[in-house]
Amino acid sequence: EPEVTQTPSHQVTQMGQEVILRCVPISNHLYFYWYRQILGQKVEFLVSFYNNEISEKSEIFDDQFSVERPDGSNFTLKIRSTKLEDSAMYFCASRVGLAGGREQFFGPGTRLTVL
Amino acid sequence: KQEVTQIPAALSVPEGENLVLNCSFTDSAIYNLQWFRQDPGKGLTSLLLIQSSQREQTSGRLNASLDKSSGRSTLYIAASQPGDSATYLCAVRPTGGTSYGKLTFGQGTILTVHP
Repeated sequence: EPEVTQTPSHQVTQMGQEVILRCVPISNHLYFYWYRQILGQKVEFLVSFYNNEISEKSEIFDDQFSVERPDGSNFTLKIRSTKLEDSAMYFCASRVGLAGGREQFFGPGTRLTVL
Repeated sequence: KQEVTQIPAALSVPEGENLVLNCSFTDSAIYNLQWFRQDPGKGLTSLLLIQSSQREQTSGRLNASLDKSSGRSTLYIAASQPGDSATYLCAVRPTGGTSYGKLTFGQGTILTVHP
């Protein structure tokens, strides 16, 4: 069964460093998302991506964040200069996007630890 | 701003019991509602999606209902098993032309089913 994959599963970085989190969405899906979950808190929406551009973003998704779909399969989230408060589990999700709502499928997550 | 609340925060039941998890949302202008399961340190597994025009959806021992006008959904689990132990999350997707599928999550109900 097709699934969303994410790498790495755990990333440890120093404050101020750049990190890139990688995702491979399900192949025929058209909408892509990043969410994050700080330990003990709710899952929060970061950004949605469709037709090679950002379609919606939250207040969290400031200039330090960027997303890219560099080829036909990968979807990446870059944090330019990490802060301690960026430590969280980051989830990638994808959706088919046909008319009539379709469910979002989530990857296993990347745990980001900023020291 | 949409707010999603889940009660109870935690629930512990003996194996075999039927149980109900509750989810409420403040803005009834939703496109659909999705229930997820999250195991500790893992990703989100989609359980059920209910369209705003639907009243309920069933999958195996799970039944989810939706009352959009009152802003409520319930997840009913029949004949609970220890393997059902996990955190259950509900998430709503807003309606509206500018929405590309952003989900707003509740904080989850931690379910423990003991043998």
